[in-house]
Amino acid sequence: ILNVEQSPQSLHVQEGDSTNFTCSFPSSNFYALHWYRWETAKSPEALFVMTLNGDEKKKGRISATLNTKEGYSYLYIKGSQPEDSATYLCALNRDDKIIFGKGTRLHILP
Amino acid sequence: GAVVSQHPSRVICKSGTSVKIECRSLDFQATTMFWYRQFPKQSLMLMATSNEGSKATYEQGVEKDKFLINHASLTLSTLTVTSAHPEDSSFYICSASLGGASYEQYFGPGTRLTVT
Repeated sequence: ILNVEQSPQSLHVQEGDSTNFTCSFPSSNFYALHWYRWETAKSPEALFVMTLNGDEKKKGRISATLNTKEGYSYLYIKGSQPEDSATYLCALNRDDKIIFGKGTRLHILP
Repeated sequence: GAVVSQHPSRVICKSGTSVKIECRSLDFQATTMFWYRQFPKQSLMLMATSNEGSKATYEQGVEKDKFLINHASLTLSTLTVTSAHPEDSSFYICSASLGGASYEQYFGPGTRLTVT
């Protein structure tokens, strides 16, 4: 069974603090890893698509790294803001399949 | 970013009836569309992948005669839940892509289906 694990499931962070969370996946036959942000009552929004070991991508205060050999990706948020409150999903693309993790639910505390 | 609409956003139907959900890419032509369902506290589960003009590819365990997918144009895919049962109650969400699964996907807002 191909599992994509995200941790933690839920996270409360004080506004202004930085945070990070993890996506773990089987490292064999890796093709691509996607990160999405899903705000309540909205559509999931693509953040990053990462394909190469050692990839680092950045969009504003959000960045992500990828380690395909050990099978994990980190998502970092610098200086959290209220609008960062959302569920962050990662999805593994492998063997022509796409498998989502359950997500990390991030709550930013004012 | 690209916009994908999904209709209806919420539907309640009786057991035994069929329900059609539409997924439209509003400002781009989608080579591929995907259909997912999500049970409470679970991850998005891919049901099927559809390419315009060809039959959908269903994931293992998804009944193709129950979940009919039609991808008649590059901007429209429909999912019809036939002979709905209460266990089909779920959140259904579509996405559209300019390529296959390795490309960025643009999601619709989802449809909450309740079968009574």
